Amino acid sequence: EPEVTQTPSHQVTQMGQEVILRCVPISNHLYFYWYRQILGQKVEFLVSFYNNEISEKSEIFDDQFSVERPDGSNFTLKIRSTKLEDSAMYFCASRGRVSSNQPQHFGDGTRLSIL
Amino acid sequence: AQSVAQPEDQVNVAEGNPLTVKCTYSVSGNPYLFWYVQYPNRGLQFLLKYITGDNLVKGSYGFEAEFNKSQTSFHLKKPSALVSDSALYFCAVRDMSVQSDRGSTLGRLYFGRGTQLTVWP
Repeated sequence: EPEVTQTPSHQVTQMGQEVILRCVPISNHLYFYWYRQILGQKVEFLVSFYNNEISEKSEIFDDQFSVERPDGSNFTLKIRSTKLEDSAMYFCASRGRVSSNQPQHFGDGTRLSIL
Repeated sequence: AQSVAQPEDQVNVAEGNPLTVKCTYSVSGNPYLFWYVQYPNRGLQFLLKYITGDNLVKGSYGFEAEFNKSQTSFHLKKPSALVSDSALYFCAVRDMSVQSDRGSTLGRLYFGRGTQLTVWP
């Protein structure tokens, strides 16, 4: 069964540095998402992306965050200047085109640790 | 606004016994409800969904969920628990309000806090 793949599985970065989290959604999916889960807290929506543009973003997704689909397969989340509170598990998800009834499929996540 | 509540942080049950993981929701329109499971160091794995139709929804690994509109609940159930069912379970509701130019909804998910299910042998 096709899967969403995320790299790296664990990223350690110094505060203030830029970080790029990478995702390869399921091929032929059209809708892409990023979520994050701070340790011990609920999974929170960051951003949705469709037709090469952001469709919706949460209050968490401020100017330090950006997303890009640089080619036909990758979907990236960039944090320009990381803060300690950005430490979390980041999940990428994608959904197919057929119907809005389809579930989102998640990757295994990237654990981001900011030092 | 959409929201989901999972009132129990932990559920413990003996293997072979029935299990229930509770979820209540609040939505402004028709609810699209989902259950996901998370095993250690893995992502969220889709279990089942309720969109419309029968109130009892069957999903993967023998799980089912009962939609109750009057109680705004969507409890996850399994008649006979397995040790391998031990994991973190998330209930989620989809926001149907954001539309794309193709008329479909992008549907961000709102998650509950999760319930840790432990099945004892």
